[in-house]
Amino acid sequence: DAKTTQPPSMDCAEGRAANLPCNHSTISGNEYVYWYRQIHSQGPQYIIHGLKNNETNEMASLIITEDRKSSTLILPHATLRDTAVYYCIVRSPNTGTASKLTFGTGTRLQVML
Amino acid sequence: DAGVIQSPRHEVTEMGQEVTLRCKPISGHNSLFWYRQTMMRGLELLIYFNNNVPIDDSGMPEDRFSAKMPNASFSTLKIQPSEPRDSAVYFCASSQQGGNTEAFFGQGTRLTVV
Repeated sequence: DAKTTQPPSMDCAEGRAANLPCNHSTISGNEYVYWYRQIHSQGPQYIIHGLKNNETNEMASLIITEDRKSSTLILPHATLRDTAVYYCIVRSPNTGTASKLTFGTGTRLQVML
Repeated sequence: DAGVIQSPRHEVTEMGQEVTLRCKPISGHNSLFWYRQTMMRGLELLIYFNNNVPIDDSGMPEDRFSAKMPNASFSTLKIQPSEPRDSAVYFCASSQQGGNTEAFFGQGTRLTVV
């Protein structure tokens, strides 16, 4: 699986958009970009994933560049409860067996009043 | 569905004792993952199963660790004998098979070996 690079930490004011970048320059054409987050003392929580097109759900938006070498997770209106470590993961598609989900070090997002 | 259920939530044991961690995946999921999380090493994938069969156990640290999945609704991770460096939070996750599916995590078991 391709490796990812994320800034170790970011701050965001409550109510503002949080834009979390991720670099995955070695991504293969059929690999998906996944985002998870982990709030303190809890298990990781799925946020969103995409292949080529931008994606949006009730939690966030995922913007993937045209060359797919980087992506940005957008939390449109960050709240204090969004304070967590955010992981960007590149995952191989199903090849007949379960595909790994390998976590890096993530970005620690601190949402402030 | 109640989600992925892990037990116990907390375990304190003495060095040298056997420890068994348990996981019940979400019904209908056929992939199961065991992770270990420490401050130093982050989230590490230990082993994963597909249709109850271990696919990749390259993350298992050593022979003291073993995992089984006797059926689709139950898995165990055993450490025998346990050592203080095994202290960590152990997470279990399950998903439907495939690279385009999300994995759901349990709340973890916090293991302390003294």
